[in-house]
Amino acid sequence: DAKTTQPTSMDCAEGRAANLPCNHSTISGNEYVYWYRQIHSQGPQYIIHGLKNNETNEMASLIITEDRKSSTLILPHATLRDTAVYYCIVRVPPNFGNEKLTFGTGTRLTIIP
Amino acid sequence: DAGITQSPRYKITETGRQVTLMCHQTWSHSYMFWYRQDLGHGLRLIYYSAAADITDKGEVPDGYVVSRSKTENFPLTLESATRSQTSVYFCASSRARGARETQYFGPGTRLLVL
Repeated sequence: DAKTTQPTSMDCAEGRAANLPCNHSTISGNEYVYWYRQIHSQGPQYIIHGLKNNETNEMASLIITEDRKSSTLILPHATLRDTAVYYCIVRVPPNFGNEKLTFGTGTRLTIIP
Repeated sequence: DAGITQSPRYKITETGRQVTLMCHQTWSHSYMFWYRQDLGHGLRLIYYSAAADITDKGEVPDGYVVSRSKTENFPLTLESATRSQTSVYFCASSRARGARETQYFGPGTRLLVL
């Protein structure tokens, strides 16, 4: 799976949009970009994923650059409950022995009241 | 909508004891996974299962046994627990195989081996 680079930590004011960047400059054409988050003491929670087009769901928006070498997760109106570690994962179609999701160190997002 | 549940949520055991961690999902997902999460290592895949009676090793399978007699259950057994198996264990499931398929995680089991 392609390596991803994320900032170690970020702060965002409550009610503002939180924009979390991810670099994945070695991404291949068939690799998807996934975002998960992990709130303290809970299991990882799926947020959104995409291949090349921008995606939006009830939780967030995912903006993928045209060259696919980077992406941004946008939480449009951050709340205190969005404080978590956010993981950007680039995933190849799984083959034998490659079923896992590879979580890096992620970005620790803190929402400030 | 129960989703995916794990039990127990917390467990303390002693070295050498057998421990079984349970995972149950209500979505009829074909794929199920066991990960462990340790500081400095992120999540590592222990075992996964593509369907009932089909299991395969992940990154760190040694010391663990799994079974999948029913689609909805995927228990993980530590045959003889060691201190190095102190960790947080997460179960996950996905509908099918493929890069488009999302894995959904349970709340985790915190295991302490003394």
